[in-house]
Amino acid sequence: AQTVTQSQPEMSVQEAETVTLSCTYDTSESDYYLFWYKQPPSRQMILVIRQEAYKQQNATENRFSVNFQKAAKSFSLKISDSQLGDAAMYFCAYRSPNNNDMRFGAGTRLTVKP
Amino acid sequence: GAGVSQSPRYKVTKRGQDVALRCDPISGHVSLYWYRQALGQGPEFLTYFNYEAQQDKSGLPNDRFSAERPEGSISTLTIQRTEQRDSAMYRCASSLGGIRTDTQYFGPGTRLTVL
Repeated sequence: AQTVTQSQPEMSVQEAETVTLSCTYDTSESDYYLFWYKQPPSRQMILVIRQEAYKQQNATENRFSVNFQKAAKSFSLKISDSQLGDAAMYFCAYRSPNNNDMRFGAGTRLTVKP
Repeated sequence: GAGVSQSPRYKVTKRGQDVALRCDPISGHVSLYWYRQALGQGPEFLTYFNYEAQQDKSGLPNDRFSAERPEGSISTLTIQRTEQRDSAMYRCASSLGGIRTDTQYFGPGTRLTVL
């Protein structure tokens, strides 16, 4: 079974600085999908970015980008020019192409300091 | 609607009572998923539907939990004879369907408290 590990329970960043959140996963599959979701204090789950494993190019969405290292089974999220509104729990998730359930990590709580 | 909606947003019940949690997916979304999220943890898969067919219920913890989606749109997650350990956030998500390209969009969740 696939597992997702987020080794940083909490992270802190100064406003306007850059922060990287780590995620590793365990799988024997060669094709899969990876996601980062944001959960603000409202406890909504908001999709931040997704990456298809068959694509070598790292996904980017405005200030959010990923560093996808397939061989190392690593999928980190970089947030550039951090804003106060980025403060939230961030969850990394894995989905196999052969089924529909997603496996989530335990989350990283990001604090943004003004 | 514009997004996935869930009701009620908060539910407090006494141990032993049955509860029904409702999910209204994004219009046109074929697939619907239920997750449970304990405080401080990531969501945990419970079950999912394609149209009205329940494709996978392997994540349901025991037979007190059931789900249905009779017309392929709105879904109900029912917990019978609730126990305190059932207290959690229950999240619904929907997607267009078509496994390879699918992205799941989550609703706001129902916070269930069992006293």
